[in-house]
Amino acid sequence: AQSVAQPEDQVNVAEGNPLTVKCTYSVSGNPYLFWYVQYPNRGLQFLLKYITGDNLVKGSYGFEAEFNKSQTSFHLKKPSALVSDSALYFCAVRPNTNAGKSTFGDGTTLTVKP
Amino acid sequence: SQTIHQWPATLVQPVGSPLSLECTVEGTSNPNLYWYRQAAGRGLQLLFYSVGIGQISSEVPQNLSASRPQDRQFILSSKKLLLSDSGFYLCAWSVPDRVNQPQHFGDGTRLSIL
Repeated sequence: AQSVAQPEDQVNVAEGNPLTVKCTYSVSGNPYLFWYVQYPNRGLQFLLKYITGDNLVKGSYGFEAEFNKSQTSFHLKKPSALVSDSALYFCAVRPNTNAGKSTFGDGTTLTVKP
Repeated sequence: SQTIHQWPATLVQPVGSPLSLECTVEGTSNPNLYWYRQAAGRGLQLLFYSVGIGQISSEVPQNLSASRPQDRQFILSSKKLLLSDSGFYLCAWSVPDRVNQPQHFGDGTRLSIL
């Protein structure tokens, strides 16, 4: 069975500092990996995905994520955090088969302080 | 462009009352459709998914049911609500047969059971 772990419930960073939100996964075969962001009382918004190719994936709002196959990780990063980045972030994994469904992590709350 | 609509945005219902939440998607055909429940702003629990009209898969046994009477309409129902049915309900869609594409979420319904 596939699984996703987001080991930190909460990440706090100062505005202007780099941020990292961690994600590790377990799936049979090659994974498709996704990051989503959720603002209060809203649905999840897609940020970026890894399908194949370059291990560093760039997405919306200046976010990027690094795929590491040997460590089965897909950490979300941003070089310089903004207060407006404060939100709930979800990592998701899906196997590269038509029958596969997505599995979401439990989410990490990012707080960026001015 | 594609859009997804959920209503109502908030709902307060007494225990034992019926429930009907509706989700519609515009701008795409034969989408995969999903209902999730999110408790206390944390992880997502997949409740139902559908790959076509009348085709519903249930992920967990519970007090809820789902129906897909039209291609782009997905309904979540209950005959008698329980206190434990409280939560934030999210509908999502994805492109069929394209597992490397993300899911797209509506803005959810916050359901409170009294």
